[in-house]
This record gives sequence, structure tokens and C-alpha cells, in this order.
Amino acid sequence: NAGVTQTPKFQVLKTGQSMTLQCAQDMNHNSMYWYRQDPGMGLRLIYYSASEGTTDKGEVPNGYNVSRLNKREFSLRLESAAPSQTSVYFCASRGPGQTPNTEAFFGQGTRLTVV
Amino acid sequence: ILNVEQSPQSLHVQEGDSTNFTCSFPSSNFYALHWYRWETAKSPEALFVMTLNGDEKKKGRISATLNTKEGYSYLYIKGSQPEDSATYLCASHWMDSSYKLIFGSGTRLLVRP
Repeated sequence: NAGVTQTPKFQVLKTGQSMTLQCAQDMNHNSMYWYRQDPGMGLRLIYYSASEGTTDKGEVPNGYNVSRLNKREFSLRLESAAPSQTSVYFCASRGPGQTPNTEAFFGQGTRLTVV
Repeated sequence: ILNVEQSPQSLHVQEGDSTNFTCSFPSSNFYALHWYRWETAKSPEALFVMTLNGDEKKKGRISATLNTKEGYSYLYIKGSQPEDSATYLCASHWMDSSYKLIFGSGTRLLVRP
């Protein structure tokens, strides 16, 4: 099983450029998440999607947009990248179903540098 | 503001020592508490998910307890081994936003041989 797959693994952007981080899961999960990881700050929630067709802001949504394209895919878009968005980005999914005691599964991360 | 706090931030122990970490979370409308182990250059992997007050879970030398009334959870590692070196994250979600999973900043454990 592939689990949660993120692309790309590495990316360097110039300030002002745009890009989309892709995430897909093959576990039939309902909930999907985007986090960023910065030194000493753990994982901070950017956006999440409780189910296909819904998205909600997390702790640090500014500068990002998301699309839940279908049940499998949840993409994160940076419209105009800034150096403050240099980070490691993780996608995660949970489910199936709506019960509380389901663990999250993570992708391998995307290391993004904005110069 | 939903804030999950972990302490200590980092911990160095000798092989064979037992150790524990704390996760604190707002207890109002609590739904579930997760613990994850995160090794360098890998992705976080789940250890436990707990929902009930007084719940206690165990996996090998690692165990966790949960107090939902006062809003804390402890993670214990008995007889630490160098391979236990990792960052341990806790995360919580609450009934009024049950899909919103918020993480603490983690406890970084280093076990010296």
C-alpha cells in the first residue's frame, strides 16, 4: 500500500512564484490535513478537510489555499511564495469514518525553500 | 485558542533509564488525544490514540495515560534504548471541531548508549 503520497519531495522557489503541493491517499480516509514543520514548533495546522467537498482553516492559513479535489486528493497552493513559507510540509489523512479514535497517517514531507 | 503544550522540550537520558513526558490540553469539549513518534528524516507514526478518562495504553516498553478532566496525558518509556531516540508528539481534537487535529511542539528524546 502506498498510504499517503506527497509530491514533490523538494522544491526551491523564488519569492513571488506560485506552486501547488500535491497529496493523495489510497486508504479511503475522509479527513485530510496539511501541516508545516518549523524548528522548535512541532507541526502547525495550515488547512484541513473533514470530507470531500469541505475545507477549513487551521492555525496558520495565511498565504495558502487548498483544494479537496476528490476523496483521495488534497492539494496545497502557495499563490505568491514568501521566504517565511520556507518549511517542511506534511500531508496527513485519517479515517475511515467519523470516529475519534483513528490515527493520522503522514506523507513523507515536502521540503520547500523560498529564496 | 486550542493550545497543546508538551514538556520538557528536550530530554537526554542514559540507556536503561526510564523517562516520562507530559502533554497538556484544554479539557473542555475534549474528544481524543494522540501520541506520535517521529524519527529524524522520517514521518510521524502513531503510538496511541486515547479517548476515555483514565485510559491507559501500552506498546512494548512505552505506555501512556490520560486524564481528560484535568487535561493532561503522560507518556512513559521504561528502560530507554538508543533506538527510542526521537521526537514524541502529542495531538488533540475537541468535539466542537472534531476533525481539527492540533499538535504540540514535541519532546525531543536522546538516549545515550
